[in-house]
Amino acid sequence: EDKVVQSPLSLVVHEGDTVTLNCSYEVTNFRSLLWYKQEKKAPTFLFMLTSSGIEKKSGRLSSILDKKELFSILNITATQTGDSAVYLCAVAGGTSYGKLTFGQGTILTVHP
Amino acid sequence: NAGVTQTPKFRVLKTGQSMTLLCAQDMNHEYMYWYRQDPGMGLRLIHYSVGEGTTAKGEVPDGYNVSRLKKQNFLLGLESAAPSQTSVYFCASRVGPPDEQFFGPGTRLTVL
Repeated sequence: EDKVVQSPLSLVVHEGDTVTLNCSYEVTNFRSLLWYKQEKKAPTFLFMLTSSGIEKKSGRLSSILDKKELFSILNITATQTGDSAVYLCAVAGGTSYGKLTFGQGTILTVHP
Repeated sequence: NAGVTQTPKFRVLKTGQSMTLLCAQDMNHEYMYWYRQDPGMGLRLIHYSVGEGTTAKGEVPDGYNVSRLKKQNFLLGLESAAPSQTSVYFCASRVGPPDEQFFGPGTRLTVL
């Protein structure tokens, strides 16, 4: 059975801090790992990492994938109150229908 | 381009009542999914569809049925609601590879 575990489950920081969110996984025939941000409503896509793209960066957010150790991290530098959200990690395995297995999520709270 | 929409946004049911949740997407995506999100458990796949007229079970299908009569719509039905089905329900769609799924805004369902 595919499994995704995120840590920490919650995190409280102040504006300007740097945070690192962790995601470890066990999945049959790994294809990709995705990060989503969820603010009250629909999860919105941040990054997708695959064997051919193990590092992604967008502004203050960056992510890396370690396929050997089966984990990924999401870094957020110079955090802002607008970064407060639940961050979800999901993994796609080898099935053709594109099933995503999600972790529990990390609740990030950024105080002014 | 509305993306993925869901109706209703909120609903309260009594045990034993039935209802249908509607998901619509205007992106011409082949794949559609229904998830439920419960505190501390991430998103779990209920049912999915790989194209018009097809449906299949996900990891938590019991108590739910689905239909995909038109490519743009994916319906989730609860025949006899139970308190354990109190949750937030998300619909998602995907064009095909890559694995990124686009999510609707969610339906918060409470079963008393």
